[in-house]
Amino acid sequence: AQKITQTQPGMFVQEKEAVTLDCTYDTSDPSYGLFWYKQPSSGEMIFLIYQGSYDQQNATEGRYSLNFQKARKSANLVISASQLGDSAMYFCAMRANAGGTSYGKLTFGQGTILTVHP
Amino acid sequence: DSGVTQTPKHLITATGQRVTLRCSPRSGDLSVYWYQQSLDQGLQFLIQYYNGEERAKGNILERFSAQQFPDLHSELNLSSLELGDSALYFCASSAEGGSYEQYFGPGTRLTVT
Repeated sequence: AQKITQTQPGMFVQEKEAVTLDCTYDTSDPSYGLFWYKQPSSGEMIFLIYQGSYDQQNATEGRYSLNFQKARKSANLVISASQLGDSAMYFCAMRANAGGTSYGKLTFGQGTILTVHP
Repeated sequence: DSGVTQTPKHLITATGQRVTLRCSPRSGDLSVYWYQQSLDQGLQFLIQYYNGEERAKGNILERFSAQQFPDLHSELNLSSLELGDSALYFCASSAEGGSYEQYFGPGTRLTVT
């Protein structure tokens, strides 16, 4: 079974500063993917970034980067130069990448509410 | 805009009723996933279809069923509705069976009164 843990119910950051949102995971699947999604107050789920378990380099997408530490089973999201529009709920998720009962489906953490202060 | 469409956006109905939620995946995507987001359970996977066939099942109640049609759109049927079924229901799609990113639709907010 897969499990995602996000230990920060809420985080605050000053505009233009960087912030790290924590995510740890547990899985027995040898190949897996890690995702971050953003959910603004309007409710939609916006895909931010993806990291494969065999990827050699940490994923980056614009101001988003994923700090992947496989031995520690962590996949923290780093948002640089925070903007007011970054205020939202952020979800870490994972899925198996090959076969097995977990193949394809996403398992989500409980989420972290990020508030960006001006 | 993710390219995934869901209708309706909002649905208010009474206990005991039956509703159908509809999802159209992104053009070319063969896989459709349904998720439920509620305050007490968080985001949970319900069911996956791939090219018309059921691929995986999660914590989906027996009162719930889904199907994917030849044109790849999918419907989630919820019957004998209870107050606890009130939630945001998301559909997501991906290019293949599970190897690609999942893009979510805007969701259908179901309120059972």
